[in-house]
Amino acid sequence: LAKTTQPISMDSYEGQEVNITCSHNNIATNDYITWYQQFPSQGPRFIIQGYKTKVTNEVASLFIPADRKSSTLSLPRVSLSDTAVYYCLVGDINPGANNLFFGTGTRLTVIP
Amino acid sequence: DTGVSQDPRHKITKRGQNVTFRCDPISEHNRLYWYRQTLGQGPEFLTYFQNEAQLEKSRLLSDRFSAERPKGSFSTLEIQRTEQGDSAMYLCASSLAPGGRGVEQFFGPGTRLTVL
Repeated sequence: LAKTTQPISMDSYEGQEVNITCSHNNIATNDYITWYQQFPSQGPRFIIQGYKTKVTNEVASLFIPADRKSSTLSLPRVSLSDTAVYYCLVGDINPGANNLFFGTGTRLTVIP
Repeated sequence: DTGVSQDPRHKITKRGQNVTFRCDPISEHNRLYWYRQTLGQGPEFLTYFQNEAQLEKSRLLSDRFSAERPKGSFSTLEIQRTEQGDSAMYLCASSLAPGGRGVEQFFGPGTRLTVL
């Protein structure tokens, strides 16, 4: 059973807000939610991480409802350079295969 | 530059040859990870080290694969008797052992392996 489920792809116009939702119905009490961004031919880059409610940084916001069974990555006013694959990871502080599952991610295409 | 570096960036080899990749983590990071990524897929965890100790190996890491991290600094990943199915991007990442929160990993640019 996959730990997370994300849409395979999304399209958005430049300047719009993009929300990518990740489902993680079996999230455990000690699990955090982490999002990474990956451009072609590069390694993934950390975007944001949260445990509950809302987290915001200079790049994105992460919304986590009270039941924590899903989370939404929000990218404000996307530009063409935000075209990338976005991965949602769920896991506790211990590394390893169980906590470092990237899945196939969501391919975001920003259209001019 | 204090980011994670990997060498080489590209490697083309013939089936049956051995290859070795190197990863230099961010200097103060005590954890180092290796991943493999094929086209259209996300990174797949292979193994990780805390300092010089290899603490977990994925089932994906067959006996033809070996990783080392002598002295807890750089790491090498060796693939013996390469097969065409080994063709992939091999990514290295590093992090600090966490202090009560989730872990942010810093990834290198990867080594793209092509086995002919």
